[in-house]
Amino acid sequence: DAGVIQSPRHEVTEMGQEVTLRCKPISGHDYLFWYRQTMMRGLELLIYFNNNVPIDDSGMPEDRFSAKMPNASFSTLKIQPSEPRDSAVYFCASSQRITGELFFGEGSRLTVL
Amino acid sequence: DQQVKQNSPSLSVQEGRISILNCDYTNSMFDYFLWYKKYPAEGPTFLISISSIKDKNEDGRFTVFLNKSAKHLSLHIVPSQPGDSAVYFCAASARAGGTSYGKLTFGQGTILTVHP
Repeated sequence: DAGVIQSPRHEVTEMGQEVTLRCKPISGHDYLFWYRQTMMRGLELLIYFNNNVPIDDSGMPEDRFSAKMPNASFSTLKIQPSEPRDSAVYFCASSQRITGELFFGEGSRLTVL
Repeated sequence: DQQVKQNSPSLSVQEGRISILNCDYTNSMFDYFLWYKKYPAEGPTFLISISSIKDKNEDGRFTVFLNKSAKHLSLHIVPSQPGDSAVYFCAASARAGGTSYGKLTFGQGTILTVHP
């Protein structure tokens, strides 16, 4: 079975550019999460969806960040405009229940110069 | 406000010995705890979990202990193997409700190195 698939694996961009990260959750999972990992803050939850509907976006750092889930098999996290402090590894994860085990993708490493 | 803390950034253990990783939490609403393992350039993978109605859960070489009164949990790996070398994250959520409901809050992680 395919796990959570994220793309791109690595992204290097310049400050001010738009960045779009993509995620395909595991088929049948109702919950999708976006996490960010940095040295300073560790793994922090940005937003999560249930049945394609955003439930809690309180972790989204600012308006430059937006996330969508147009259907059950695809989600995007967009940063516009990007800043150097956005450099981090962004993980997508999915699960069958809100309190169930999370299955993580391999992450997208973003570097903003 | 770090609600889940792993105070040891790293731990070094000899192969065959016991590895003990510790985690403390502050939010009394947390009632479900998990450990994840992460290798470089990969996402975290689930290892073991425990509900607050238990004080111990065992799965092969891995055992998690929960001390609710001390708001402390630990992961024991016996015997430790070189393949266990990874970053271990403690995570917690509140199944019963509250503002943390369902959301996993992670600790900072502990780097475990098992020497042959």
